[in-house]
Amino acid sequence: GENVEQHPSTLSVQEGDSAVIKCTYSDSASNYFPWYKQELGKGPQLIIDIRSNVGEKKDQRIAVTLNKTAKHFSLHITETQPEDSAVYFCAAILNTDKLIFGTGTRLQVFP
Amino acid sequence: NAGVTQTPKFRILKIGQSMTLQCTQDMNHNYMYWYRQDPGMGLKLIYYSVGAGITDKGEVPNGYNVSRSTTEDFPLRLELAAPSQTSVYFCASSPLGGAYGYTFGSGTRLTVV
Repeated sequence: GENVEQHPSTLSVQEGDSAVIKCTYSDSASNYFPWYKQELGKGPQLIIDIRSNVGEKKDQRIAVTLNKTAKHFSLHITETQPEDSAVYFCAAILNTDKLIFGTGTRLQVFP
Repeated sequence: NAGVTQTPKFRILKIGQSMTLQCTQDMNHNYMYWYRQDPGMGLKLIYYSVGAGITDKGEVPNGYNVSRSTTEDFPLRLELAAPSQTSVYFCASSPLGGAYGYTFGSGTRLTVV
């Protein structure tokens, strides 16, 4: 079945710097890759996603890139702000019913 | 629009006790899911449902049961609670499956002592 690996597990950056989180997946048939942000005490919330027919997608300060050949995708956050501090999860689709999640990255943005 | 509502938010159980975690969504989503979140382990799928009357096992179903009698409700039952079931439980829903994004509830923190 599908397996998703996520790195790093923790990431600390200075406010204004960029942050990059990377994920790899095992099933070459996977075709949908969302990213979720989980703030303290809350459920994960979808922040951006990408499908296998595109290589990059941007939404203001966040972007996701996909390399299907290497089977990895990344989340890029530019001009980080303290409110970006959270746990971020990547995921990949396993058939059309359910997502398989990575182990999460705790991002801390220091003022 | 309440989205996905989970109750209770916190619960402490003794070993061997049983309980039901409630999940309700008001978005008329067909797909519903139960995940557990352990520190450093990400989200593991327990059970899921593609519609009323249909349920299926996920990665870690042992010790749990579910039912889906209506589109709105997807309760998770713990029988004979064990310390290994100490975790944060999240319910999620989706209109057409994982490729269309999930809406998560705010979670239930369960401690088994």
